[in-house]
Order: sequence, then C-alpha cells, then structure tokens
Amino acid sequence: GENVEQHPSTLSVQEGDSAVIKCTYSDSASNYFPWYKQELGKGPQLIIDIRSNVGEKKDQRIAVTLNKTAKHFSLHITETQPEDSAVYFCAAAIRSNTGKLIFGQGTTLQVKP
Amino acid sequence: DTGVSQDPRHKITKRGQNVTFRCDPISEHNRLYWYRQTLGQGPEFLTYFQNEAQLEKSRLLSDRFSAERPKGSFSTLEIQRTEQGDSAMYLCASSLGQHREAFFGQGTRLTVV
Repeated sequence: GENVEQHPSTLSVQEGDSAVIKCTYSDSASNYFPWYKQELGKGPQLIIDIRSNVGEKKDQRIAVTLNKTAKHFSLHITETQPEDSAVYFCAAAIRSNTGKLIFGQGTTLQVKP
Repeated sequence: DTGVSQDPRHKITKRGQNVTFRCDPISEHNRLYWYRQTLGQGPEFLTYFQNEAQLEKSRLLSDRFSAERPKGSFSTLEIQRTEQGDSAMYLCASSLGQHREAFFGQGTRLTVV
C-alpha cells in the first residue's frame, strides 16, 4: 500500500549547523510533497512544499529536494536556530484526486543553543 | 479569517459516551479533511469532503464514526460509544482544490477514560 518512510526519527544539532531529514515514498504517481512543522500541542504547520515537476525549492533557510527516479525527497534547514526545534513531518499526495496525504513518522529536531 | 479553527481543543470523556468535534475551514476552501494523530506518529487520513459531499472514508473510520459537512462550510466529526483506543488528536485541514496546500487546525485532543 501507500507508504512514506522518514529518517532519522530524532536529530540533535548545534545552533548554526545544518539539519537534513530524508523521506522515501512508495507510490510512483505521487506528485505533491509538503513538509510540516509541529510544535507541542499544536497542529502541523506547512513550511514548504514541492511538486514533481521541480527538483529543488528554497525559501530562506529552508530547502527541499526531490529525486523522482529514486522516490526520495529531503528537507534541508541551514543556520539552525533554537526556535527550529519541533517535530517535522514529510508527506506525499497519493495517486488519486482526493488530495489525501500520507505522512512519514516524524523527526524530532532539537537545536542546542 | 485567521485559519482553520477547531473546537473544542481538549475533550475528556468516559468510555461509552458520544462526542462531537467541530471544524471551521478557511472560508474559500472547498476541500476539508479529517486526520487522526496518535502520540509519536504522523497524522492518518480519516475522511474528506469536497463541498458538502463526503467522497472518501478510510477503513480506520469504523461504524462508530460519522462526519458531516451540511452546507459545505463547517464540518462535524462524531464518535459514538467511545473506546479507549479512540484517544488521539483529531486534526482538520482544508485546501482549495486537489493537491493544493492543506492547512491544519490546532486539533482536538480526545482522552477517553
């Protein structure tokens, strides 16, 4: 069935370092890949997304890359700050017209000051 | 309009009781989604509406669950005869069409005791 695998499950970095989170998806027809940031007790917040006709997208300190052939996509955060500490989820929109998202298991990012 | 609104934020109920949650999507969004999130996991799709029509239901949605979106605006999710396994965060999201950005509410945390 449809599946999204996310790694690592936890990531600890020093403030100012970069953080990379990787995901793989199973449905080769998936064409939309959002990333969400979730803080404790809150709902997921969309931070960046990428569509299958694009290989890379950047927004200030955040970038996402997509390798359709390998069915991989990654989130890159540069110059990390303590306020980046949160749980990050990748997701893939499955083949269909529902807009249904399949989420990864999440990565808990801790940025140490 | 500041985003997707969910009510209540928290609900504690005794096993066997019925509960109802409400979601108010972003006003111009025609698609509305319900997801469930348990501790340490990513959100899992439950059901979605396009306008007032419920177009897909996950097999996670047992007969005890029912969702409505009577006028294509707000939506309700009712759980009858709650069980301890229903304890989770129930998230609502809305979007403007298929494979467009989906924005989540803050969620309703349900605890069944």
